[in-house]
Amino acid sequence: QLVESGGGLVRPGGSLRLSCAASGFTLDTYWMHWVRQVSGGGLVWVSRINTDGSDTTYAGSVKGRFIISRDNTKNTLYLQMNSLRPEDTAVYYCASFTAMVPIWGQGTLVTVSS
Amino acid sequence: EIVLTQSPGTLSLSPGERAALSCRASQDININYLVWYQQKPGQAPRVLIFGASNRATGIPDRFSGSGSGTDFTLTISRLEPEDFAVYYCQQYGDSLTFGGGTKVEIK
Repeated sequence: QLVESGGGLVRPGGSLRLSCAASGFTLDTYWMHWVRQVSGGGLVWVSRINTDGSDTTYAGSVKGRFIISRDNTKNTLYLQMNSLRPEDTAVYYCASFTAMVPIWGQGTLVTVSS
Repeated sequence: EIVLTQSPGTLSLSPGERAALSCRASQDININYLVWYQQKPGQAPRVLIFGASNRATGIPDRFSGSGSGTDFTLTISRLEPEDFAVYYCQQYGDSLTFGGGTKVEIK
């Protein structure tokens, strides 16, 4: 199971850090991803990280503003979101596609508004 | 980047009817990395089918997936009231992309 936290209301230009805690399994053998979904919209990939954190990739819309990281000792994935924009408003999901069956969290809502 | 195009955008059907949802890729996909999801309002996506044709645990056998190459189909043999939802396909063999979704609504 994956459980996200850290979402909330933030002003444009502000920062927020999301967390994704794993339970029932250890994250250290899983590549991890963040996916977001605006209200009424589709699913959009945001970022991914390899098992030891040495390799990260970002969607163009967040590159340079978001940082994905992980702490395998805490079994937790993170997404540091800086310079937030209204268009970053969405539900953010952490997910893994390493196993045969994808694993998703329940999502956390981020609202960027003044 | 592989683009996934789902059709139709909306499917209006009655309970008991058969639904066929299409997912077409801009280039060949490894079938091991093709997934179908169901999503209801306020909920996370739920895995229905993985590896193009394998039902996830607990998924009723009225759901089936088929296809290869660039063309994939999710079929719901007889719609139940709880099946009215949005369905997405996804591939993760070459980066990670999602289709735009098909909404199955009650006619």
